[in-house]
Amino acid sequence: EAQVTQNPRYLITVTGKKLTVTCSQNMNHEYMSWYRQDPGLGLRQIYYSMNVEVTDKGDVPEGYKVSRKEKRNFPLILESPSPNQTSLYFCASRNRNTGELFFGEGSRLTVL
Amino acid sequence: DAKTTQPPSMDCAEGRAANLPCNHSTISGNEYVYWYRQIHSQGPQYIIHGLKNNETNEMASLIITEDRKSSTLILPHATLRDTAVYYCIVRVRTQEETSYDKVIFGPGTSLSVIP
Repeated sequence: EAQVTQNPRYLITVTGKKLTVTCSQNMNHEYMSWYRQDPGLGLRQIYYSMNVEVTDKGDVPEGYKVSRKEKRNFPLILESPSPNQTSLYFCASRNRNTGELFFGEGSRLTVL
Repeated sequence: DAKTTQPPSMDCAEGRAANLPCNHSTISGNEYVYWYRQIHSQGPQYIIHGLKNNETNEMASLIITEDRKSSTLILPHATLRDTAVYYCIVRVRTQEETSYDKVIFGPGTSLSVIP
C-alpha cells in the first residue's frame, strides 16, 4: 500500500530537548515536504526537498532542520524545541507525474 | 500569501450538491489548481486537479472558468462523511525554473454537511 509514515504520532517534550520526527515514503517519490498546522493558520510549509541532498526553506523554517540522505526518508529535526513549536506536523511526498501530494497521518507535538 | 481565496465556511444539506468556490485571480498559465480535503486532524487527502479543462473523477468534479481566475469543486451528492476542510491550492513556481515547488495552503473552506 502506498503510504507516508510519520513517527512519533504523539510526543510531549520539554524545552531544549532535541527531537526528530521521522518520515518515510514507499512510493519512490523525489519530492517531499514538511508542514505545520496551527488553529486558524492552515497548513504552512516548513521545508521541502526536490530530491536527495536537495532541500529548501518553506515559509516557516526557523527552528527546524531537515536532511535528505536517501530518497525514502525526510526527517524533521528540532535542535532546541520551544513552546511555540507546539503544533500538528505533516509530512508529504508528491507524485511527479500527477502532482498529487500524499500526506502522512500527522505528528502532534507538545513542547512544555 | 496564499494565492487562493475561499469562503471560510459553508453548509450543505445531505444528498444535495456541494459547490465550493475558489478564487485564484493571479494564477499563471502553467499553474494547476488542486483540491484537497482534511477530515478532522487527519492528513489532507487529494481530491482532484486541473489546468483549464473541467475534470471529473469518482470523488468530485472541478469546473474552471475560461479565464482561469476561479474554480468550483462540486461534490454531487454530499454525505455526512464529506464534512471536512477543503483546500484549493495552486502550484507556485520558485525562482529557479527547475525547482518547481513551494506549495501554499490557505485556511480553506470548512464544509458542514447537515442531515
